[in-house]
Amino acid sequence: SYELTQAPSVSVSPGQTARITCSGDALPKKYAYWYQQKSGQAPVLVIYEDNKRPSGIPERFSGSSSGTMATLTISGAQVEDEADYYCYSTGSTGNHRVFGGGTKLTVL
Amino acid sequence: QVHLVESGGGVVQPGRSLRLSCAASGFTFSSYGMHWVRQAPGKGLEWVAVIWFDGSNKYYVDSVKGRFTISRDNSKNTVYLQMNSLRAEDTAVYYCAREIEASAGMDVWGQGTTVTVS
Repeated sequence: SYELTQAPSVSVSPGQTARITCSGDALPKKYAYWYQQKSGQAPVLVIYEDNKRPSGIPERFSGSSSGTMATLTISGAQVEDEADYYCYSTGSTGNHRVFGGGTKLTVL
Repeated sequence: QVHLVESGGGVVQPGRSLRLSCAASGFTFSSYGMHWVRQAPGKGLEWVAVIWFDGSNKYYVDSVKGRFTISRDNSKNTVYLQMNSLRAEDTAVYYCAREIEASAGMDVWGQGTTVTVS
């Protein structure tokens, strides 16, 4: 079955740039999506179709994709950005969907 | 305001069944695909199933295929997840989510309903 791979954790100081990566064989042909999940809350979409930002998401959140890797970048990370971040995409057929294992972002 | 509200969770014995519901409001439900996503305690998100806007296609993660059925009633603005032959590993918070129009991701999520198989 198709898998997306994420590092378990990333740590930055406030104001620094955080980069969270996601690798998957189908990413050259399929979009990546990114979700933020804070403790005890439902996930929130922060990036869709590789690099688009939904309304209401701060401009410090951006996305990119190159080859088999997608990247979520948080420029000037803030304490309130501490959360688990999940990438999401589809397999090569487009019918089945998968989440990455998640990356815990610590900002302190 | 766009809103999704899940219900139907609870404690159930292994091998039994449960049906989850997700009531939608604030948007044209019949125009959107809908998903179920679950999260086991202390674990990551797992995509479970998707149903197209008109119910014509349904897809499942391998671990629930043959046991779970996703369906929808566009007249009631509701999507369902019928879960049969439940196992301990199905214990999770179950979220319903709206699919982004003409895209594969989800943009609106409910608050989830908890299923405990024990």
